[in-house]
Amino acid sequence: NAGVTQTPKFRVLKTGQSMTLLCAQDMNHEYMYWYRQDPGMGLRLIHYSVGEGTTAKGEVPDGYNVSRLKKQNFLLGLESAAPSQTSVYFCASSYSVSYNEQFFGPGTRLTVL
Amino acid sequence: QQQVKQSPQSLIVQKGGISIINCAYENTAFDYFPWYQQFPGKGPALLIAIRPDVSEKKEGRFTISFNKSAKQFSLHIMDSQPGDSATYFCAASLNSGYSTLTFGKGTMLLVSP
Repeated sequence: NAGVTQTPKFRVLKTGQSMTLLCAQDMNHEYMYWYRQDPGMGLRLIHYSVGEGTTAKGEVPDGYNVSRLKKQNFLLGLESAAPSQTSVYFCASSYSVSYNEQFFGPGTRLTVL
Repeated sequence: QQQVKQSPQSLIVQKGGISIINCAYENTAFDYFPWYQQFPGKGPALLIAIRPDVSEKKEGRFTISFNKSAKQFSLHIMDSQPGDSATYFCAASLNSGYSTLTFGKGTMLLVSP
């Protein structure tokens, strides 16, 4: 039982390049989330999904797109990376959104030059 | 608008001492208050959570105190140990619809030996 996994663990991009971060969970959770963590800013929600085929915007969605084609996977895309997107990205999943425990992945450290 | 304010930003406590981290919220409709613990290089993990129908919840050395009228809640770590050195995040959410967690900005705790 791997829980929540994220690939890649590290990535360096040049401004304007694109990439996709993959999150996978094996707990059959309905809800999945993408956060970014920056020093002194805590965890900020980018996008989330309440089920296969659904996505919704979080607090800081600009510059990111997401897709949830399969229940176990949640993809975060950067179409044209900017230095402001340098951050650590965490994926999380939960069984529900009410009184729920969110299980986090190990994170992806992204640097945009 | 920051809905959950966390203090202090950082905290140094001697081994065996009590660590106290405070959070204040603005939305009176919040009704679920978890604390997450994050070790360096890892994703956050749920530590303890409380609902507003109780004023205190204790799990081992960790206690949440909740003051509904003041819209404040705090984490107390008794007999703090070097292994407790981590970043702690408070959070809050609504128990309705597709409510998501709103996190505080985090407190970096260092327990000195």
